[in-house]
Amino acid sequence: SQQGEEDPQALSIQEGENATMNCSYKTSINNLQWYRQNSGRGLVHLILIRSNEREKHSGRLRVTLDTSKKSSSLLITASRAADTASYFCATSGAGNNRKLIWGLGTSLAVNP
Amino acid sequence: DAMVIQNPRYQVTQFGKPVTLSCSQTLNHNVMYWYQQKSSQAPKLLFHYYDKDFNNEADTPDNFQSRRPNTSFCFLDIRSPGLGDAAMYLCATSRIDRENEQYFGPGTRLTVT
Repeated sequence: SQQGEEDPQALSIQEGENATMNCSYKTSINNLQWYRQNSGRGLVHLILIRSNEREKHSGRLRVTLDTSKKSSSLLITASRAADTASYFCATSGAGNNRKLIWGLGTSLAVNP
Repeated sequence: DAMVIQNPRYQVTQFGKPVTLSCSQTLNHNVMYWYQQKSSQAPKLLFHYYDKDFNNEADTPDNFQSRRPNTSFCFLDIRSPGLGDAAMYLCATSRIDRENEQYFGPGTRLTVT
């Protein structure tokens, strides 16, 4: 089942610009994860942020989590054409950590 | 390199003709998942195995079955594919003690003619 909503659904930027994607969820979570999916391929895990964390960095990625608003954002700095992909957030719930609840995804196009 | 492998990458089957998709992993993860993903949509969980314990999603059609003969392999059987079953099928694995980070295979694109 899907509980996450992501916005924007689609984002088009120029190389070098920053890209910000947002994710909202409905129930309490253990962690929130971001995945990337290149066209026609499987998903790749990017970063995980726990419910007691507020911000996390990994290379050009910065993730924030606001549990009071049940929302997260993914920032990609200095974007590259190779960042063109769909990005999904997924939450691991407090009651069942074997399943992820997926957001609807943001399609990012980075134009050279 | 440890990884999740799916075969075949592309599968064409006829309406109503049974098809089996396979997934293998060298990560030694105890949980394996099958997802269905249609164009521009989020992955939809069909079922998962926690070791040998099979867990079916309530809305997974009976047309879809799965087998996990050992830790490394998992199969998705579609008994009578319909046109609506055309999709990307993704296999994923996770370790239950690693906060459910999931590792995905490249997927099998199923076409039903």
